[in-house]
Amino acid sequence: EADIYQTPRYLVIGTGKKITLECSQTMGHDKMYWYQQDPGMELHLIHYSYGVNSTEKGDLSSESTVSRIRTEHFPLTLESARPSHTSQYLCASSGGWGRAEETQYFGPGTRLLVL
Amino acid sequence: QKEVEQDPGPLSVPEGAIVSLNCTYSNSAFQYFMWYRQYSRKGPELLMYTYSSGNKEDGRFTAQVDKSSKYISLFIRDSQPSDSATYLCAIKKGSNYQLIWGAGTKLIIKP
Repeated sequence: EADIYQTPRYLVIGTGKKITLECSQTMGHDKMYWYQQDPGMELHLIHYSYGVNSTEKGDLSSESTVSRIRTEHFPLTLESARPSHTSQYLCASSGGWGRAEETQYFGPGTRLLVL
Repeated sequence: QKEVEQDPGPLSVPEGAIVSLNCTYSNSAFQYFMWYRQYSRKGPELLMYTYSSGNKEDGRFTAQVDKSSKYISLFIRDSQPSDSATYLCAIKKGSNYQLIWGAGTKLIIKP
């Protein structure tokens, strides 16, 4: 089983609040990703990082920001939550050589509801 | 047009049936094809990984790639209620590490 953790698992919060979704992995992977997943829809990449101090925006426009100060930690922050941010957020990591490098390991996800 | 198309289902079959799950893709340059399984309230987990055309078998699961038709399939033999989950196809995009995802097919195996 993959060692990647996300907290909180569920979050209900009011509009305008600042929130940080935590993601940590203990596998020493250099690459980490944040996805947004809505019911019946494909995963959309919102941020990714290929190493410490490296972050990029993904294909889906997002008002969130990320940081990668340590290899194992990749938090996602929303400065001002809105109802349109309601979704499931999945964190993933990958690393290694050859075939293993293609495998992304996922955390359990954070379900966010903004009222 | 989406780069990867997948029927969202749900697909409901009786226990013991053979299940066929499929995705089509648009770019003939794609080379790495994956199937992930996602249980309710969990993150996706890698099930099968294929690089070339043909079949790859792992226990009750067989992944098939037809590059000429740009079509990938996952077959589940002797399906079990524990196979009930959403199955997502994913394709590696170019030389970077990003994946393009299908919408996932929800599979229900009835006891």
